[in-house]
Amino acid sequence: QQQVKQSPQSLIVQKGGISIINCAYENTAFDYFPWYQQFPGKGPALLIAIRPDVSEKKEGRFTISFNKSAKQFSLHIMDSQPGDSATYFCAASINNDMRFGAGTRLTVKP
Amino acid sequence: DGGITQSPKYLFRKEGQNVTLSCEQNLNHDAMYWYRQDPGQGLRLIYYSQIVNDFQKGDIAEGYSVSREKKESFPLTVTSAQKNPTAFYLCATRTDYNSPLHFGNGTRLTVT
Repeated sequence: QQQVKQSPQSLIVQKGGISIINCAYENTAFDYFPWYQQFPGKGPALLIAIRPDVSEKKEGRFTISFNKSAKQFSLHIMDSQPGDSATYFCAASINNDMRFGAGTRLTVKP
Repeated sequence: DGGITQSPKYLFRKEGQNVTLSCEQNLNHDAMYWYRQDPGQGLRLIYYSQIVNDFQKGDIAEGYSVSREKKESFPLTVTSAQKNPTAFYLCATRTDYNSPLHFGNGTRLTVT
């Protein structure tokens, strides 16, 4: 069963545009929601994370928006750059159980 | 230089052979994890270990085995019982439940 649903599967954005990736979760016990960025042939690296007591968190060009009642959270990448082209994974975690979305392949065109 | 080292980067095996993937860390993290990554399926948990000499099955443990004899090391054996072993395998560590996972750079296993 897929506990974290991520969309879209792929995304193409022009340089300078806004990239938006959405995730929805089922288990209301999840208490930690990280986003990971992965380049080809590399392991995922933590990008930004949020806890459910906060509705938004911003770090540079990256923002997480969190809607606890809707059980949804999203990643916004402002001023997208070609170097942001990668696969992005959302995740939701409680204790040792971290569930990942299926990933979004982002391509930023110059 | 702190981090997680997975070796080898690429591994090729014939069907029916067991193969062991190495994961070593010098981050002094207690918890270690093995994930499998397949295209379009995200990351799925194979096994995890909270402390030395203790480990738990994840969602897809069938056909895999692990050991945790040292805090720094968590090798994964892909046995001949694993029906579809070709995949990208990722090792990760974590300090505690409230911290993010730190990943190695993976081992790509191809079984023919």
